[in-house]
Amino acid sequence: AQKITQTQPGMFVQEKEAVTLDCTYDTSDPSYGLFWYKQPSSGEMIFLIYQGSYDQQNATEGRYSLNFQKARKSANLVISASQLGDSAMYFCAMRENQAGTALIFGKGTTLSVSS
Amino acid sequence: DGGITQSPKYLFRKEGQNVTLSCEQNLNHDAMYWYRQDPGQGLRLIYYSQIVNDFQKGDIAEGYSVSREKKESFPLTVTSAQKNPTAFYLCASSGLGTSGRGSTEQFFGPGTRLTVL
Repeated sequence: AQKITQTQPGMFVQEKEAVTLDCTYDTSDPSYGLFWYKQPSSGEMIFLIYQGSYDQQNATEGRYSLNFQKARKSANLVISASQLGDSAMYFCAMRENQAGTALIFGKGTTLSVSS
Repeated sequence: DGGITQSPKYLFRKEGQNVTLSCEQNLNHDAMYWYRQDPGQGLRLIYYSQIVNDFQKGDIAEGYSVSREKKESFPLTVTSAQKNPTAFYLCASSGLGTSGRGSTEQFFGPGTRLTVL
């Protein structure tokens, strides 16, 4: 079974609109972390946001926020006021603390922002 | 500046050759990782190391080998046993903490694009 599921292969949004990228995860480890990374066409991986399993509040970093619904095992990324430079591949990833420090990645969502 | 460097940026391999991808970090991180990314796909873990002279296989270790003789360096060798090595390879490093972004975030290098001729 997949541990990280991103069901949207591609998303399209217009500039200045908000967009939500979905991510669901599967783990029995009570202690875990969830990450979102952005990968532009250059290939570099850019960290966006982190949510710990015990964090009480949803994480926010500038225009990025993480809608963390623990009971549903959901960690959706919300990008507010989309910009052309947001066009990229977005990956959700999880670290299960009992399994070590490596990350498990989803297959990604390609976001295209148009003017 | 602190960061992770990978070299070369592009690498071409002939059938039957072994090639080594370099990864160096100056972030003083204990853990280092190698991931493989195929077109349009997510990252898959090849090997990782949490301490010098020790490393663990990831999900797709067959046909690859690594070493960790120094904390700063974690080279990956793609051997001739790897039947389909054409891919984008990313190296990453992190701390060993179990909570909080600062100790768990993985920092990535710029990647090496390997092509088999």
